Formats: sequence, C-alpha cells, structure tokens
Amino acid sequence: AQSVTQPDIHITVSEGASLELRCNYSYGATPYLFWYVQSPGQGLQLLLKYFSGDTLVQGIKGFEAEFKRSQSSFNLRKPSVHWSDAAEYFCAVGAGSGGYQKVTFGIGTKLQVIP
Amino acid sequence: DGGITQSPKYLFRKEGQNVTLSCEQNLNHDAMYWYRQDPGQGLRLIYYSQIVNDFQKGDIAEGYSVSREKKESFPLTVTSAQKNPTAFYLCASKDRGNVYGYTFGSGTRLTVV
Repeated sequence: AQSVTQPDIHITVSEGASLELRCNYSYGATPYLFWYVQSPGQGLQLLLKYFSGDTLVQGIKGFEAEFKRSQSSFNLRKPSVHWSDAAEYFCAVGAGSGGYQKVTFGIGTKLQVIP
Repeated sequence: DGGITQSPKYLFRKEGQNVTLSCEQNLNHDAMYWYRQDPGQGLRLIYYSQIVNDFQKGDIAEGYSVSREKKESFPLTVTSAQKNPTAFYLCASKDRGNVYGYTFGSGTRLTVV
C-alpha cells in the first residue's frame, strides 16, 4: 500500500522569500503524484501533477515540483511567496490501474506568510 | 462553468439523527468520492463510486451510507451509528483514467450538537 509523509506540519515564511514544502512517498512502482492547496473552509484545488516524463513539473500560481525517484520525494517549490499563498498544502500519491486510482493524501502542511 | 456543488455548507446534527450531505457534479465525471477531513489527519476515504449503481467502501465506511442512482449525484448519509461525525466532508470527482487529479467540492462542515 502506498503512503505519503509531509514532515512539516506548519511552516512560516516571509513574503517574497522562497518556499519548499517537503513530500516523501512510499510506493513500489512509478506513482502518480499530486499537490493540492486548500484555503480555510474550502475544498482542495489541484496545483500540479506528475505521472511520467520530465521530472520537473510546472503548476498553477507559479508553483513547481520535482520528482526524485532516488529520494522518493516530490517537493513543492515557489521562488517568491505572496501573502495569498497562505493556505494548507497536501501532497498525494495515486496508484492503481483500470480506471480506478486509489489516492492517499498526506496530513498537510499549513503555510503562514508574514509581511 | 462545470464543477461540484456540495450542500449545505454547514450542518448540525442531534445525537441519534441521520443526516444526508448532497454532492452534485456537472463535469460528466464517472467516478465520485467522499472524504472526511479532521485536523492533523489529512483526508480519509469514506466511499467511492466508479459508475452508476455501484459503490465501494473506503477506509472508514462504518457509520456511513451512499447511493449512486444518477451519474451527477452521490449523496452521503451519516447515520446514528457514526459515533464521532463532527468533521469537514469533501466530495470529489474524477474522469476515467489514472492521470487526472480530483475536482473537489467546497465541503460541508458537520457538527453534532
């Protein structure tokens, strides 16, 4: 069974600073990897996804993530954080075939942005 | 615009009551999912459905029931057997295939009073 670890429950960064949110996964084959963002009291929005090809993927809102198979990681990055990026971020891994994909979510990293 | 609509946004349940959370999508997605979100625990899968009139238990199905009579609709009933129902409930849908992420609704917050 697959699993996801987000080691940082809470991160605080200054506006304009760079950001990296960590995600490690466990899965025997090539996984499908996702990052979602959730604003308070809202649903989750897909930021980006990886399933094959270029290991550096670009997403919405200026985010990118890099898949590193050797480290079983899929860290999310942004070069310059904006106050509107304050939210909770979830890494997820999908596995399966035949149309159904079981997706396992991490527990989330809450991002606080200070002026 | 296409999307997923969850209603109500807030719901209060008395002890011993069953309540039903609505989830409707107009994305023509085949698969629909219900997740429960608790602080510090991420999202946990309650039930999912890949086609009409078929659904499967997820990791925490006890105390919940669902139906899938129409492609667009996947209501979740929280029964009195669910001993700790206070949580944020999220409905999601996905097109067939492994490469697509979920589209989520905006959630229903259920509180037991």
